[in-house]
Amino acid sequence: DTGVSQDPRHKITKRGQNVTFRCDPISEHNRLYWYRQTLGQGPEFLTYFQNEAQLEKSRLLSDRFSAERPKGSFSTLEIQRTEQGDSAMYLCASSQWTSARGDTQYFGPGTRLTVL
Amino acid sequence: DAKTTQPTSMDCAEGRAANLPCNHSTISGNEYVYWYRQIHSQGPQYIIHGLKNNETNEMASLIITEDRKSSTLILPHATLRDTAVYYCIVRVEGGSEKLVFGKGTKLTVNP
Repeated sequence: DTGVSQDPRHKITKRGQNVTFRCDPISEHNRLYWYRQTLGQGPEFLTYFQNEAQLEKSRLLSDRFSAERPKGSFSTLEIQRTEQGDSAMYLCASSQWTSARGDTQYFGPGTRLTVL
Repeated sequence: DAKTTQPTSMDCAEGRAANLPCNHSTISGNEYVYWYRQIHSQGPQYIIHGLKNNETNEMASLIITEDRKSSTLILPHATLRDTAVYYCIVRVEGGSEKLVFGKGTKLTVNP
């Protein structure tokens, strides 16, 4: 397995701009998760997909945020009209249930967003 | 809210065992104990998880008390690269899918 990859690793944008992040899960993992982490805090759950279906969304996911996983493989997270409060690390994780590991989530390196 | 309580920080000497405690007094019978760690500016890394039996893998050992209200993660021979924030999480496997992170324990391994 090549692990979960995220692109870009860093993004600096101006307030009001739209940004899109991509996550490529571990091959054949059917579950994909997005989390957000601000400085000094643990990651907070945003949303979860099983295959292409978005099954759960946190109330943190305002209407400016949208996530997709169109073919059940990679996923994108878009933030429209960014605000300075959106500055954070955006983490992606994936899992696939096995008898040995359960549905352990494996994380990518994250995308660090800075909104000026 | 996180269902676990961990010390804010701990120190350990290089080469010694690091024992990281976690309290989860309200754990349910079908909830697993998971441990992750996060090295500065990286994504969380899975370490180990267990239900009620002690578990060991190449990274660490997990000791769960008989009443399951607390657990200890043991890094047998800590190195400087083990300096990280360690998160203890309880989660129903196959239930609500998200991980709920607290603030974790900042472990500093000193030379």
